Amino acid sequence: DIQMTQSPSSLSASVGDRVTITCRASQSISSYLNWYQQKPGKAPNLLIYAASSLQSGVPSRFSGSGSGTDFTLTISGLQPEDFATYYCQQSYSTPRTFGQGTRLEIK
Amino acid sequence: QVQLVQSGAEVKKPGASVKVSCKASGYTFTSNAMHWVRQAPGQRLEWMGWINTGNGNTRYSQKLQGRVTITRDTSASTAYMELSSLRSEDTAVYYCARVYMVRGSEVFDPWGQGTLVTVSS
Repeated sequence: DIQMTQSPSSLSASVGDRVTITCRASQSISSYLNWYQQKPGKAPNLLIYAASSLQSGVPSRFSGSGSGTDFTLTISGLQPEDFATYYCQQSYSTPRTFGQGTRLEIK
Repeated sequence: QVQLVQSGAEVKKPGASVKVSCKASGYTFTSNAMHWVRQAPGQRLEWMGWINTGNGNTRYSQKLQGRVTITRDTSASTAYMELSSLRSEDTAVYYCARVYMVRGSEVFDPWGQGTLVTVSS
């Protein structure tokens, strides 16, 4: 199985800040990497697919980059509604696997 | 709009089975695979398996193989996930998620609202 490791596990930031979350795969997954946002008590919501493509309807302050084993999710200009948990997920092979999540909290 | 609506919360005793439903609307049910993912309290999302809603073929997580069964009823546009021989570690929120391909990449979108399954004696 491909292991997905995110860092940091938690992060405190202020409205307006720029934050970066990293996801590392245990082997190359090309660009088969998605990012999801999850708010408490809600289902995950797709933000970024294929490592860097923005899902329709997602604000442009979200961006993704990377390929192979190292990926990043960047949020430029944090908004109050962005405080949530973020997960990366590989769709390169079965079983599909997720990172452990990064909890983004208000400073 | 595309929507997945899951059945309600369940409380089960160890050793019992649970069956969770996921009713799809807003698209042609047999055009997209359906995956199931669970999330135990404070844990990461865990992929459980998927079903080809067109032909019924399935594939399961090795960890859950033998205990999980995913089926579908095309006439009702509904997918089901049954987990047997429940144990306390199966306490989790269970999600269904539609899968589609975009620019060659597979995505889970949307997800059902989740079904809490509590296993307790």
